[in-house]
Amino acid sequence: EPEVTQTPSHQVTQMGQEVILRCVPISNHLYFYWYRQILGQKVEFLVSFYNNEISEKSEIFDDQFSVERPDGSNFTLKIRSTKLEDSAMYFCASTQAGTGGSSLYGYTFGSGTRLTVV
Amino acid sequence: AQKVTQAQTEISVVEKEDVTLDCVYETRDTTYYLFWYKQPPSGELVFLIRRNSFDEQNEISGRYSWNFQKSTSSFNFTITASQVVDSAVYFCALSDNTNAGKSTFGDGTTLTVKP
Repeated sequence: EPEVTQTPSHQVTQMGQEVILRCVPISNHLYFYWYRQILGQKVEFLVSFYNNEISEKSEIFDDQFSVERPDGSNFTLKIRSTKLEDSAMYFCASTQAGTGGSSLYGYTFGSGTRLTVV
Repeated sequence: AQKVTQAQTEISVVEKEDVTLDCVYETRDTTYYLFWYKQPPSGELVFLIRRNSFDEQNEISGRYSWNFQKSTSSFNFTITASQVVDSAVYFCALSDNTNAGKSTFGDGTTLTVKP
């Protein structure tokens, strides 16, 4: 079964450092997303990406964040200068169809990257 | 503004019992999407279902069923004959029709199924 692959599974970084979280979506999917989940809290939408550009972003996704699909397969989330409050689990997801398709098939999530900022 | 309320923080059942997880939502949109996700102890997020607001038919998939009632703004999830492997945090989520992936999540319900 196709998977969304995220690397690394866990990253520890010092405050102020830049981090890049990597995701390889499913190859025939067209819509890509990043979400984050602070430990013990709800999942929060960060950004959606379609046709090589951001289609929507949340208030959380400020100038410190950026996304890229550099080579047609990887989908990266960069945090330029990490803060302690960026510590969270970051999930990448992809789907073939943004709003259509069968209700039981749709979004595939990666296993997440746990980012710890110290 | 959109809001999702999962009033049940934690539920504990014994294996083979049926269990219903409640989800109540608020939105001003006339067209929207509702979702359920499962997060097992291993931490990954598993998509379970997406429901369009204009399709009020209930959905059944194996032991899982979903009851969508627009009149009460609810999208409840029932697990029939629960199993220990169903133990997880379950999230209900809501998005508007322009970007189904831009979801507002509920706080989640932790389901524990005891043997």
